Amino acid sequence: DAGITQSPRHKVTETGTPVTLRCHQTENHRYMYWYRQDPGHGLRLIHYSYGVKDTDKGEVSDGYSVSRSKTEDFLLTLESATSSQTSVYFCAISEHTGTGSNQPQHFGDGTRLSIL
Amino acid sequence: KQEVTQIPAALSVPEGENLVLNCSFTDSAIYNLQWFRQDPGKGLTSLLLIQSSQREQTSGRLNASLDKSSGRSTLYIAASQPGDSATYLCAVITGGGNKLTFGTGTQLKVEL
Repeated sequence: DAGITQSPRHKVTETGTPVTLRCHQTENHRYMYWYRQDPGHGLRLIHYSYGVKDTDKGEVSDGYSVSRSKTEDFLLTLESATSSQTSVYFCAISEHTGTGSNQPQHFGDGTRLSIL
Repeated sequence: KQEVTQIPAALSVPEGENLVLNCSFTDSAIYNLQWFRQDPGKGLTSLLLIQSSQREQTSGRLNASLDKSSGRSTLYIAASQPGDSATYLCAVITGGGNKLTFGTGTQLKVEL
């Protein structure tokens, strides 16, 4: 298994509170991603990073921010959590080798976040 | 905007049967297509990746084909086993950034 650790694995919090999810990798891969998975929508990309301090938005980035200060860590922050952000969040990594990369993305085990 | 569809949404087969899972995408300008497996409460496990220039990839009892011009991929599972029961997801990379667009998956149950 790819060395990806997500923390926490489960979290319950209240509307309006800040939440930070962490993704840690031991593979030294350049690309890191945050997805959310919801019934009926599948997995959707929130933000991704293509290097230290280099990030970009995905399909559903509103209400989320990210930071990557080290190759191995990618943080996802919900500044003021809302009930619509209740979801399962997955981190993924890949070793990008140029346009049309033949390197697969590998996923962590997910964080189940409930916002009451 | 790329859209990925997987049909059927659920499938139940007896053990030993050969089966085909389908994936279609609306924008044929893909870089690659990836098949994943997801067990309940778990993350995704990468099964096969097919680059846009390839027609198929094989791994053990799994064979994935790609027809880019028609926007279709199939995952063939030979001699299915109860341990194959899971949700199977396909995803494509269309633009830069190696960003995946996922289908909603096919939930497979292989019965004894």
